[in-house]
Amino acid sequence: QLVLTQSPSASASLGASVKLTCTLSSGHISYAIAWHQQQPEKGPRYLMKVNSDGSHTKGDGIPDRFSGSSSGAERYLTISSLQSEDEADYYCQTWGPGTLWVFGGGTKLTVL
Amino acid sequence: EVRLVESGGGLVQHGGSLRLSCAASGFSFSSFAMSWVRQAPGKGLEWVSSISGSGDSTYYADSVKGRFTISKDNSKNTLYLQMSSLRVEDTAIYYCAKVVSGSYLTFDYWGQGSLVTVSS
Repeated sequence: QLVLTQSPSASASLGASVKLTCTLSSGHISYAIAWHQQQPEKGPRYLMKVNSDGSHTKGDGIPDRFSGSSSGAERYLTISSLQSEDEADYYCQTWGPGTLWVFGGGTKLTVL
Repeated sequence: EVRLVESGGGLVQHGGSLRLSCAASGFSFSSFAMSWVRQAPGKGLEWVSSISGSGDSTYYADSVKGRFTISKDNSKNTLYLQMSSLRVEDTAIYYCAKVVSGSYLTFDYWGQGSLVTVSS
């Protein structure tokens, strides 16, 4: 079964960098995923697609501070030069035959 | 500029019905698949339903299959979600989302959401 696993929380200091992880279930490690950001009390916002080879394609207007990468079953979202507005929930998501669209449980990022 | 604006949410009793609408602009609506994604209070995102650009193909999460119906009116650039036999666990913010071009992988634009509250 296609499952995406994320740590529930992460924190990093203002101006620092943070790397969030999304892990694909066994048998699905070649899948591309997408990252979405949800700031408090707002609708989600598409950040980027991350392929299994680590290449990524960002959505419209997404700053260069946001980047994606991959290693095996893991897909990463790295945010550099953290700003206060980066404090948000981050969801990974993918698509697979049968299960169709699937979301990870989300990671709540706190900017200290 | 792509815009997605949901409407139609509100308070409904268990077993009742409600229809959500999503007005789309800024892109060729008939060329893109569209989806509904929901978020229960304090919880994560859950995919609900999707429909192809032409409207010929529809997809549902098991949790809503047989109770919800997705449709789109390409002449009005509007997406719908007809919800019936509503349950307390359907209480959530419902987001309309545009599916990316070229694949069904993900959603590249989202609306602000419409709150549906189902009372017991």
